[in-house]
Amino acid sequence: GAGVSQTPSNKVTEKGKYVELRCDPISGHTALYWYRQSLGQGPEFLIYFQGTGAADDSGLPNDRFFAVRPEGSVSTLKIQRTERGDSAVYLCASSLGTGRLPYEQYFGPGTRLTVT
Amino acid sequence: AQSVAQPEDQVNVAEGNPLTVKCTYSVSGNPYLFWYVQYPNRGLQFLLKYITGDNLVKGSYGFEAEFNKSQTSFHLKKPSALVSDSALYFCAVRDMRDSSYKLIFGSGTRLLVRP
Repeated sequence: GAGVSQTPSNKVTEKGKYVELRCDPISGHTALYWYRQSLGQGPEFLIYFQGTGAADDSGLPNDRFFAVRPEGSVSTLKIQRTERGDSAVYLCASSLGTGRLPYEQYFGPGTRLTVT
Repeated sequence: AQSVAQPEDQVNVAEGNPLTVKCTYSVSGNPYLFWYVQYPNRGLQFLLKYITGDNLVKGSYGFEAEFNKSQTSFHLKKPSALVSDSALYFCAVRDMRDSSYKLIFGSGTRLLVRP
């Protein structure tokens, strides 16, 4: 079946601009996660959704970052006033749900964001 | 605070030889542990996970990992490496007591299998 998809695959923007990154999770997955991966590092948690609500946004670095999932499926990560330090690969993942047992997270290919 | 350490930036092994990629973790409670693999220009792929029970976990592509609670380790192993196993490997942990379901990842280990 279809996996997690992310668009665009690459995004180049100028410092100070606004960007939106989109994630389409696997159908039926109620949990959705955003991570950021800088060069040479492992993924770093940003935010996760259970259904439409953000259950944990403790990883968002500052108030320039915001994410929504209005219908409990597609999610958009929004970054205002981009800075060069925001350059990274933004990964989206989804899983069957959240309960006591840890369902594995399935990752998309990522969006490579470059801020010039 | 939760953390994961992958002490080797790169592991080199000859095809056909056994391989080990090391991982140690730190959590307040008991851990859920995961291994993911990342090929160039592709997303992370799930390999295996430890939840509870048998300390030896078997996963995809012939990989296995051994949970050692006393050493707080979860090393990834394979009896006979293939050139196609060359990739970037990430260990991740989630604390069972953490109400957040986020994964904490290590910095990754590059595996290079030479023919």
